[in-house]
Amino acid sequence: GDSVTQMEGPVTLSEEAFLTINCTYTATGYPSLFWYVQYPGEGLQLLLKATKADDKGSNKGFEATYRKETTSFHLEKGSVQVSDSAVYFCAPSFSGGYNKLIFGAGTRLAVHP
Amino acid sequence: DVKVTQSSRYLVKRTGEKVFLECVQDMDHENMFWYRQDPGLGLRLIYFSYDVKMKEKGDIPEGYSVSREKKERFSLILESASTNQTSMYLCASSSTGAGYGGYTFGSGTRLTVV
Repeated sequence: GDSVTQMEGPVTLSEEAFLTINCTYTATGYPSLFWYVQYPGEGLQLLLKATKADDKGSNKGFEATYRKETTSFHLEKGSVQVSDSAVYFCAPSFSGGYNKLIFGAGTRLAVHP
Repeated sequence: DVKVTQSSRYLVKRTGEKVFLECVQDMDHENMFWYRQDPGLGLRLIYFSYDVKMKEKGDIPEGYSVSREKKERFSLILESASTNQTSMYLCASSSTGAGYGGYTFGSGTRLTVV
């Protein structure tokens, strides 16, 4: 069945470090792919998305590329800030109808000065 | 800006009470969802609705019901609140057609049952 696996956290980095959070998925067909971010005490916000192979989604310095051959959608940022501390969720769309998303377990990122 | 509004950020209820969590979206979305989020368990789907008066069970519907009488409003009902329903509840909405852009979430309701 459709599923998503993302890197376990917590991930702890110093400010200005490079960030990668891995995400791989299994899905029927070619799903749309999403990254969401959740700041403390808040709901989830859409961070970026990609809808077809080789698309690159980007926002706020974060990037992720839709890799069909490896069924991956890894999140990257070249230089993290303390304000990036949050939980990040990878979410492919579900092929079973209504474009339901399958959410990964979430990866907590802590950035310290 | 597109919005999903949950009626309360924090709620404290007593065991056995009937609890209503309200969610309203202003995007004319067909689909609406209720999730609960607990540490270590991620997001778990309780119910979703794909049209007015239509609903489908998610992964953990026991102890909950829902109501969607109007397209913009989706209510989650805890028939008889119990302490194990203490959690963060998240509402989301989405469209179905072309230009699908994922879910839009509300800010969440943190429910404590005492």
